[in-house]
Amino acid sequence: GAVVSQHPSWVICKSGTSVKIECRSLDFQATTMFWYRQFPKQSLMLMATSNEGSKATYEQGVEKDKFLINHASLTLSTLTVTSAHPEDSSFYICSAPDSRSGNTIYFGEGSWLTVV
Amino acid sequence: KQEVTQIPAALSVPEGENLVLNCSFTDSAIYNLQWFRQDPGKGLTSLLLIQSSQREQTSGRLNASLDKSSGRSTLYIAASQPGDSATYLCAAPNSGGGADGLTFGKGTHLIIQP
Repeated sequence: GAVVSQHPSWVICKSGTSVKIECRSLDFQATTMFWYRQFPKQSLMLMATSNEGSKATYEQGVEKDKFLINHASLTLSTLTVTSAHPEDSSFYICSAPDSRSGNTIYFGEGSWLTVV
Repeated sequence: KQEVTQIPAALSVPEGENLVLNCSFTDSAIYNLQWFRQDPGKGLTSLLLIQSSQREQTSGRLNASLDKSSGRSTLYIAASQPGDSATYLCAAPNSGGGADGLTFGKGTHLIIQP
């Protein structure tokens, strides 16, 4: 199957700093990528849809100025958590549909963010 | 908006038992439904993807069924093993085939006792 890679897998940052998470489709192009967040013992919640060459679409309740999404190329989307606070500590995971296989959705490995 | 419910929330059974995990969804205008496995501190492992044209999909000891008319899917695990212990997530597209992302259930936390 297709491969989606996320980096970093684990990151610890100080409160007030910003951290960037990358999501790459390694062997296919993705005009759309999705970002999810999972708090401890909760399910995954869709945060936003990343669109190549245009603005991301955010789900209700997700602050677009805090979670900056950039889909600069057909294989890379980035999520930047700006001015991170401890309550932003979570598991962030991206996914991308592969049009070669009927838009089967592939997930990255996920990124664990801890804000101290 | 799509809503996904999974029952039971947790399940603990002795090794060797066959078990069924249930998933229900509110918007049946979907093209597919997916089951995932998540181990503690890990990402997602895709288990089975069922297209709306299929009624079930099998992979090894796993069998998933999809009934769009009733808005239900089940994941059947045969001859359970301790290594099957994990959280199992059901995910349905927010629209059609997933162009608007997926909605996940809260998962079934499964423990298989040796």
